Formats: sequence, C-alpha cells, structure tokens
Amino acid sequence: LAKTTQPISMDSYEGQEVNITCSHNNIATNDYITWYQQFPSQGPRFIIQGYKTKVTNEVASLFIPADRKSSTLSLPRVSLSDTAVYYCLVAPILTGGGNKLTFGTGTQLKVEL
Amino acid sequence: GAVVSQHPSWVICKSGTSVKIECRSLDFQATTMFWYRQFPKQSLMLMATSNEGSKATYEQGVEKDKFLINHASLTLSTLTVTSAHPEDSSFYICSAAGDNGYTFGSGTRLTVV
Repeated sequence: LAKTTQPISMDSYEGQEVNITCSHNNIATNDYITWYQQFPSQGPRFIIQGYKTKVTNEVASLFIPADRKSSTLSLPRVSLSDTAVYYCLVAPILTGGGNKLTFGTGTQLKVEL
Repeated sequence: GAVVSQHPSWVICKSGTSVKIECRSLDFQATTMFWYRQFPKQSLMLMATSNEGSKATYEQGVEKDKFLINHASLTLSTLTVTSAHPEDSSFYICSAAGDNGYTFGSGTRLTVV
C-alpha cells in the first residue's frame, strides 16, 4: 500500500483558499487518490477522488501531476466550519472484494476569523 | 449516495462486560467491512478486515479473542468488545466497501468505567 505524507497542521483565515499537499511516491498504477474530512467524534466523510490531472466538485478541487506522486486538495474560500482533519488516502477502487484502507496522520486545518 | 449506519453512537459500560457495535450498509452490499479504532488526537488505526461469510483478518497487535467480528450478511458487520477494560475506551469506526469505494460509519464512542 502506498504510504502518504501530509503536513500535520495548517492554519488559515475565513475566505482564503487552502491547499493541502500529499506525497505518495509509491503510488501504484491501479491506485486512486481520495481525500476525506473528519470532524471530532465523527466518521470520515468523502470529499473528492481522482486518478490523474484535475477533478473538481462542489466543495473542492484535486490536482494530480502527471507522475501522480503527489496530490493537492484545494478548498476555495474556507469558512470556520472547514476546521477539521483532512486525510489523503491512496488505494485501488473496489469492484467487490476489498483492499485495506490505511490512514496516515492527516492534516489538522484550523480556520480562524 | 452510499450510507453506512453505525450503532450505538456512544456507550458506557462497566469494566468486564461486553459491548456490541453494529455497522450496516443501508443502500448497498458490502462484501468487505473494516473496523478502526481512533484515540484522541490520533489517526484511525485499522483493527481488522471482515469479509462476508468468512473469518476476519486482524491487524498485528489486535487480539481477535477480545475484539470479535462477525460479518454474517452483505449489509451487516458487528464488533464485540469482550471483557472491556478502561484501556479499551476509544472511538470505533466502521467502513464498508462497495462498488463505489469506501463509506464510513459515524463512529461509536466507547467509555469503559
């Protein structure tokens, strides 16, 4: 399983764009990159997933360079409610059966006024 | 989207008793479910992987006789913490693997007194 490395913490202010980068040098050909958000005492919540280039949804964008050894989660105009831990995970997409999903340290994002 | 229901959301039990936590995939079938434990300010630690109809696979250091996992159907997995002790107090989270990836339950806060 590809190991991931993220900054332990980041601070930002409301209205700013936040970019969290994750390194995954040993990513495999069939691995996808998925980002989750976790609030205290809650389970992780899916944010975005991608394989290569750029993916955008209603809450975030995911930038993946051609070599796929890193990825950047971009949160536009954060608010106080975006204060949470963000996890980058790398694993194959499932089609029945299962592969272990292992969490790294995550990035604690703190958004202030 | 895919929904995983986890119950109870919190439980307090006396030392020496057993506690059962349920994890249900509500709108999809999950061949594989995962159980995690999370201590305060730490990441999720994978405890075991359970496949429907077969024995669970435990991670190194996790006592299989203490943390009993049953995955009797494609939509239900249970984790029973047997003879619980205060050091078992933690946040337990399940995840179900379906065709669209991994979905997490909301977690169970276990406090052993």
